Amino acid sequence: ETGVTQSPTHLIKTRGQQVTLRCSSQSGHNTVSWYQQALGQGPQFIFQYYREEENGRGNFPPRFSGLQFPNYSSELNVNALELDDSALYLCASNPGTGKTEAFFGQGTRLTVV
Amino acid sequence: ELKVEQNPLFLSMQEGKNYTIYCNYSTTSDRLYWYRQDPGKSLESLFVLLSNGAVKQEGRLMASLDTKARLSTLHITAAVHDLSATYFCAGDSNSGYALNFGKGTSLLVTP
Repeated sequence: ETGVTQSPTHLIKTRGQQVTLRCSSQSGHNTVSWYQQALGQGPQFIFQYYREEENGRGNFPPRFSGLQFPNYSSELNVNALELDDSALYLCASNPGTGKTEAFFGQGTRLTVV
Repeated sequence: ELKVEQNPLFLSMQEGKNYTIYCNYSTTSDRLYWYRQDPGKSLESLFVLLSNGAVKQEGRLMASLDTKARLSTLHITAAVHDLSATYFCAGDSNSGYALNFGKGTSLLVTP
């Protein structure tokens, strides 16, 4: 049990729709990262937020965006959903910027049809 | 960009046998991580290796790091069925805030 919780656990959306995924980070952790894990692949880094600002970004298009709130919880928003966006989305809580040790939540399984 | 390669990608082994999973990475990485993932589940942290020559053991699993060779290994001793899972290694990216994962090694331990 890492203390990182994500909601919802499962979600089905239609191509072209928008989706918001939520994450509550582990107590005392002020940095949150998001990863996308396609079936049979390793997780791919989407972006990281520290103190409510984006602190780094992977190779994902702008339709992937995020927010971090003062209580360090976070949202991942994906616009104009594509079939290839179907994946497990993992939120990871970090102790602080520059320290990449990550504690992962249980993930949100997104299916785009 | 840090690239991480694991091998083998699939491993079927009998209970009681020993085996090693290899993780090579392309550029300098300050830390090397091993995670376990059960089907449909999240990632469970197994080991964090911080320096050259680091060795950590937990139960039947032992991880080591050779930064000069850019190689980490995960050794399984006397495998049991409960170890069946996918194992990922990951390194720090050059940016310092992202983890770069390998494709994972899917391990099946059979009677």
